[in-house]
Amino acid sequence: GAGVSQSPSNKVTEKGKDVELRCDPISGHTALYWYRQSLGQGLEFLIYFQGNSAPDKSGLPSDRFSAERTGGSVSTLTIQRTQQEDSAVYLCASGAFSGVNTGELFFGEGSRLTVL
Amino acid sequence: SQQGEEDPQALSIQEGENATMNCSYKTSINNLQWYRQNSGRGLVHLILIRSNEREKHSGRLRVTLDTSKKSSSLLITASRAADTASYFCATDAGSNYKLTFGKGTLLTVNP
Repeated sequence: GAGVSQSPSNKVTEKGKDVELRCDPISGHTALYWYRQSLGQGLEFLIYFQGNSAPDKSGLPSDRFSAERTGGSVSTLTIQRTQQEDSAVYLCASGAFSGVNTGELFFGEGSRLTVL
Repeated sequence: SQQGEEDPQALSIQEGENATMNCSYKTSINNLQWYRQNSGRGLVHLILIRSNEREKHSGRLRVTLDTSKKSSSLLITASRAADTASYFCATDAGSNYKLTFGKGTLLTVNP
């Protein structure tokens, strides 16, 4: 597709269940970010991938959160043993930059997670 | 930690008026970006200004950057109802590619 694709667009789960959120970045983009946005709030950085380099995981809030990026393309964010405070919109973004400076990010429409 | 903070948190104006939003940050940056978010949707990139630039224009948008004050402003001229959205600034820092966003300014343009 032409843009960043995220799935599912909505996910309702019970507390304690695991969830997987998927992001398909724009083809050829080496940079990929995950952010979390709670209702009416700003974006909270979670993790950053750049090509084959080790990801920057400094924003992951707990060890229940993990992410991987296979083949430098598709990324999956996994939340284990979900808690109600995990409820938020999870946004994925990709970019074509790989040098010293960051550049324009292209965002997906997000995955809205609700933990009951 | 490095972060942009927008001011004001909310702004309500009439169609045709200009809207000015500000962003302050804490440490030196490579560049600063502005994004727009319509309710519940993904963010859309508006403009990027590099640390060695002072002003940039794009259509009805004007962005300024004052690195000595660690601040930026976004001006939207001749606002339209369709400009109603949240506006965020995003900053990086040095060799850290972590782009951090502020909490945004909610702009309401009344017809």
